Amino acid sequence: DQQVKQNSPSLSVQEGRISILNCDYTNSMFDYFLWYKKYPAEGPTFLISISSIKDKNEDGRFTVFLNKSAKHLSLHIVPSQPGDSAVYFCAASSNQAGTALIFGKGTTLSVSS
Amino acid sequence: DVKVTQSSRYLVKRTGEKVFLECVQDMDHENMFWYRQDPGLGLRLIYFSYDVKMKEKGDIPEGYSVSREKKERFSLILESASTNQTSMYLCASSPPLAGSNEQFFGPGTRLTVL
Repeated sequence: DQQVKQNSPSLSVQEGRISILNCDYTNSMFDYFLWYKKYPAEGPTFLISISSIKDKNEDGRFTVFLNKSAKHLSLHIVPSQPGDSAVYFCAASSNQAGTALIFGKGTTLSVSS
Repeated sequence: DVKVTQSSRYLVKRTGEKVFLECVQDMDHENMFWYRQDPGLGLRLIYFSYDVKMKEKGDIPEGYSVSREKKERFSLILESASTNQTSMYLCASSPPLAGSNEQFFGPGTRLTVL
């Protein structure tokens, strides 16, 4: 049973527009949520995270929103750039469960110029 | 600058061969992880380790084993490679329980089993 779900396998956006990537989770005990970005033939790189006690975290063009009541988070990229084209993974962690991260299946973002 | 390195970027092996994938981190992290990534399946945890000589099974440990003799090194072993183990293998490390539990990933090894 998937605890972290990314229901959209792919997303296409035009350069300069907003990209919104979504993630749902089932375990209310998660303490942190993280977003990773992955280019082909490279390892994932950390993008941004949010604590479960916050509802928003911003870093430059990237903002993550958390809606605990809906068990939903989203990553907003504004403005989108062609270099943002990659696979984005949502992940969650629970300090009660140790240091393992639980990953979603990923969303492939394509930004066209 | 944090660094996780993996012994090979690309590897081609034959069915039945024993395969070793090596991972080294220079951040003095206690925790190390092995994942495989397949299209449409995301990152699936194979094994992880919280300390030297400690190991824990992840979600898909069948057909794999691991070794952690030194803190900085975590090896994944395919005892008898099979074609369904063709995949991208990713190693990661993280410090002890702290904040978001961010993991730092290596560049990956693309393994093809013929």
